Amino acid sequence: GENVEQHPSTLSVQEGDSAVIKCTYSDSASNYFPWYKQELGKGPQLIIDIRSNVGEKKDQRIAVTLNKTAKHFSLHITETQPEDSAVYFCAASTGGNQFYFGTGTSLTVIP
Amino acid sequence: DAGITQSPRHKVTETGTPVTLRCHQTENHRYMYWYRQDPGHGLRLIHYSYGVKDTDKGEVSDGYSVSRSKTEDFLLTLESATSSQTSVYFCAISEPTGSYYYEQYFGPGTRLTVT
Repeated sequence: GENVEQHPSTLSVQEGDSAVIKCTYSDSASNYFPWYKQELGKGPQLIIDIRSNVGEKKDQRIAVTLNKTAKHFSLHITETQPEDSAVYFCAASTGGNQFYFGTGTSLTVIP
Repeated sequence: DAGITQSPRHKVTETGTPVTLRCHQTENHRYMYWYRQDPGHGLRLIHYSYGVKDTDKGEVSDGYSVSRSKTEDFLLTLESATSSQTSVYFCAISEPTGSYYYEQYFGPGTRLTVT
């Protein structure tokens, strides 16, 4: 099955700086890559996703890039704010109903 | 939140006792999932369902069973709880986005402690 690796496991940035989280996947059939944000005590929330026919997608301060040749995708958060502090998960799917998750990145934004 | 609720939200139980966790959804989603979340492991799929009475195993299904007698309810049962099943359990649904792709949404979670 699919194997998704996520790095780094922890990340600290100063408020206003950018944060980048990277994921790699193993199954070349994967074509849908969502990102989730999980705040303490809550369930993961879908924040952005990208499909294999797109190389980059942006939503305000959040962007995701995809390199299908290298099998990696990244989450970019610009102008970080304290409320961005959370655990972020990447995932990969072959477009059906099976989702494979990375192990998470704990992001801390230091005011 | 895709209309997903989980109950109980917290539970402490003793080793060897049976435990049932409930996931309830109000939006008639066909696909439902149970995951467990542990430090260093992310989210791992336990079981999933693709309709009433249609279920299948995920990667960590040993020690767990599920049932889905109604579209809105997906139950996860630990027949005889063990300490290794101490975890946070999340229910999820997926819904089609108008094409081949499905988006997945999670419930608020159940924290289970087995002593």
